[in-house]
Amino acid sequence: AQSVTQLDSQVPVFEEAPVELRCNYSSSVSVYLFWYVQYPNQGLQLLLKYLSGSTLVKGINGFEAEFNKSQTSFHLRKPSVHISDTAEYFCAVSDQGDDKIIFGKGTRLHILP
Amino acid sequence: DAGITQSPRYKITETGRQVTLMCHQTWSHSYMFWYRQDLGHGLRLIYYSAAADITDKGEVPDGYVVSRSKTENFPLTLESATRSQTSVYFCASSETGGNQPQHFGDGTRLSIL
Repeated sequence: AQSVTQLDSQVPVFEEAPVELRCNYSSSVSVYLFWYVQYPNQGLQLLLKYLSGSTLVKGINGFEAEFNKSQTSFHLRKPSVHISDTAEYFCAVSDQGDDKIIFGKGTRLHILP
Repeated sequence: DAGITQSPRYKITETGRQVTLMCHQTWSHSYMFWYRQDLGHGLRLIYYSAAADITDKGEVPDGYVVSRSKTENFPLTLESATRSQTSVYFCASSETGGNQPQHFGDGTRLSIL
């Protein structure tokens, strides 16, 4: 069965510094990949998705992620974070042909002034 | 406004009582999902539905019942609530299955005393 590992439960980073949130999934032939963001007391919002094509995916709020099939990874990056990026970030994966999406346990991003 | 609405936003009840959480979407999406979010577990799928009158179990279905008589509604019922079901519950919808992102409601925070 598919599984998703977010290697860091919390990531502190100074404002305007770059950040990378790591995500690995268990091996599969073809997958769809997603990153979601959750602000306090809200539901999840889609940041970006990889369905096919270019392995570098750009999303909202200046985030991007790179699909690496050989390493089964889909790490999320932002070159310069802002205080408003404080939130929890979820990586998610779906096997091609599956109705369901499997979510990681989340990474809490703390922006330090 | 178009979107996905959950009600109530907050609910406190006692063990053994029946409680129903409501979910309504205005997009006419085929798929709808129920998740619970708990610290250290991320999001776990309870039940999902591919269309009206079609439902299927997720990862943690025990103690929950769902129905989908209309495309736009997907209520979740706890037939006899237990303290272990204290959680934040999220409803989501998507046009198709795992190859499309899901759209989330704002959640219901349920406390069982």
